[in-house]
Amino acid sequence: SQTIHQWPATLVQPVGSPLSLECTVEGTSNPNLYWYRQAAGRGLQLLFYSVGIGQISSEVPQNLSASRPQDRQFILSSKKLLLSDSGFYLCAWSAGHRNNYGYTFGSGTRLTVV
Amino acid sequence: QKEVEQNSGPLSVPEGAIASLNCTYSDRVSQSFFWYRQYSGKSPELIMSIYSNGDKEDGRFTAQLNKASQYVSLLIRDSQPSDSATYLCAVIQGAQKLVFGQGTRLTINP
Repeated sequence: SQTIHQWPATLVQPVGSPLSLECTVEGTSNPNLYWYRQAAGRGLQLLFYSVGIGQISSEVPQNLSASRPQDRQFILSSKKLLLSDSGFYLCAWSAGHRNNYGYTFGSGTRLTVV
Repeated sequence: QKEVEQNSGPLSVPEGAIASLNCTYSDRVSQSFFWYRQYSGKSPELIMSIYSNGDKEDGRFTAQLNKASQYVSLLIRDSQPSDSATYLCAVIQGAQKLVFGQGTRLTINP
């Protein structure tokens, strides 16, 4: 069966510090991968998605970036965090072209920028 | 106009009653629709998917889709306190993107 791992679960970082969040998927190949952010009390905002290694699409202009160095690995990064980057970051995967089955989410990383 | 709209609630329903959650979407060509449940502090979990007009039932949950009206709903029968959560409506747009509504917070009162 497929599983998705996301870490760390919580993170407190000072303004201006770098960020690296990692997500890996097991039990499938060539998944579509996604990064979402959820601000407190809000819906999910799509940040990036990837349909293959090295292929990244950005949905929202910001100081965040994403990379996909391996088929089942998706990384969210920032060189300098802002207070507004605080939120609940969620990685998700879908089965390539078969995204009609919906997305499966990781357990999320709660980021607080102080 | 937002791509996917839901009433944010909160929606309060007595235990044992039917909870009705509604969602509208703007993209007429959307074909795939989902309901996710999110407990406080947790990640969303998929509870229902629907692709054709009409009703789809799974246990106590029924999803309803009306593409002409661009409307999706979720009914929860015999509501339980464990159903208290935020319910997110989501719609596939384009080839790859799942777009979410802001969610409706549901509280089931014992």
